[in-house]
Amino acid sequence: KAGVTQTPRYLIKTRGQQVTLSCSPISGHRSVSWYQQTPGQGLQFLFEYFSETQRNKGNFPGRFSGRQFSNSRSEMNVSTLELGDSALYLCASSLGGWPQSGELFFGEGSRLTVL
Amino acid sequence: AQSVSQHNHHVILSEAASLELGCNYSYGGTVNLFWYVQYPGQHLQLLLKYFSGDPLVKGIKGFEAEFIKSKFSFNLRKPSVQWSDTAEYFCAVTSNAGGTSYGKLTFGQGTILTVHP
Repeated sequence: KAGVTQTPRYLIKTRGQQVTLSCSPISGHRSVSWYQQTPGQGLQFLFEYFSETQRNKGNFPGRFSGRQFSNSRSEMNVSTLELGDSALYLCASSLGGWPQSGELFFGEGSRLTVL
Repeated sequence: AQSVSQHNHHVILSEAASLELGCNYSYGGTVNLFWYVQYPGQHLQLLLKYFSGDPLVKGIKGFEAEFIKSKFSFNLRKPSVQWSDTAEYFCAVTSNAGGTSYGKLTFGQGTILTVHP
């Protein structure tokens, strides 16, 4: 069974630009969560989608947005990039039920560098 | 708000030594608890989980963790570590509140374990 696939793996942007990251979940998983990982703040929850609906959201500004498609693939977008957005962005999928939604299967991440 | 504290940032052991990594959380309600592990060059993966029932849970590769509700703790243990256990370990918690918790784990800062052969 293929794991969670994230693209691109690495990208460099400049301040003010926007970026879109993509995530393909494990087949059969309908929930996709996104996390930001930085050395200072650790792993922080961005949002979770299930069946194309955002069910949960973390404490990030509105510049961070996401969506999920009917095939469960998900994208997240960060607009007006700031230097502090440099991070590893992790996507995780799960079956989405409760409490199994905490059993996350992570991708390898997209490393974003903002210059 | 929930928070998770992992007491040790970096633990260094020799092979065959016993391991205990501390994890404490702050949350007044019912919780689900997890340990995730990230081996060098690999993605985060679930090591073990606690939802309810027996507070002593066993995971992969000989790891176990004990949930002590009165101490708000979920410490990870292994009786005898191997060089291949070198990794970063993350404790995580989610409240058992259904709708407000879907996909949302609060992670500790992680503990780097280095095992010398």
